Amino acid sequence: DGGITQSPKYLFRKEGQNVTLSCEQNLNHDAMYWYRQDPGQGLRLIYYSQIVNDFQKGDIAEGYSVSREKKESFPLTVTSAQKNPTAFYLCASSLVAGGTGELFFGEGSRLTVL
Amino acid sequence: GENVEQHPSTLSVQEGDSAVIKCTYSDSASNYFPWYKQELGKRPQLIIDIRSNVGEKKDQRIAVTLNKTAKHFSLHITETQPEDSAVYFCAANAAGNKLTFGGGTRVLVKP
Repeated sequence: DGGITQSPKYLFRKEGQNVTLSCEQNLNHDAMYWYRQDPGQGLRLIYYSQIVNDFQKGDIAEGYSVSREKKESFPLTVTSAQKNPTAFYLCASSLVAGGTGELFFGEGSRLTVL
Repeated sequence: GENVEQHPSTLSVQEGDSAVIKCTYSDSASNYFPWYKQELGKRPQLIIDIRSNVGEKKDQRIAVTLNKTAKHFSLHITETQPEDSAVYFCAANAAGNKLTFGGGTRVLVKP
């Protein structure tokens, strides 16, 4: 069953703690993306990767970090430097890089910082 | 960078009527404009897209129009049904090979 899997679905953390969100895809897609979704603000790009061992900052990268050591995996770490980390996080992948192909989204991870 | 504005933020229509959502973009180099639908509690999914070499594209009850000169594109849904109730996002590609999304439109189809 092909697709993109995010975990955990819900996550609660105390302020000041780092947290890592997992994103795995078995679609053999080259490109992977992390978006943040807040009410009324659409989907804002955090980081993206077009190929293994390479990634670029999106529009709101401050306070986040990523790695792309394997084609199928693109974990996102929300660090203590992120001032407002409570949000819904969506991971996506696309067959080709370049921003011109269909994005396939995971089901999302909802992070709540207490 | 690319800036995508989407209007309206909410739209309520009677079942059977048409719905229109409009987006404007800032980067004249953008050449790919997809629309995503996100039903409540679900992931966004692509419903239609248009590339800059065409002005209009249709798929059953949905259509997208593009005006490159004015840098705006629109989603048209005809004969709306309750299952069309969702949040719709427009997007445009930007320099750096990434998509920039609009703020979303919450569509409610009233029976």
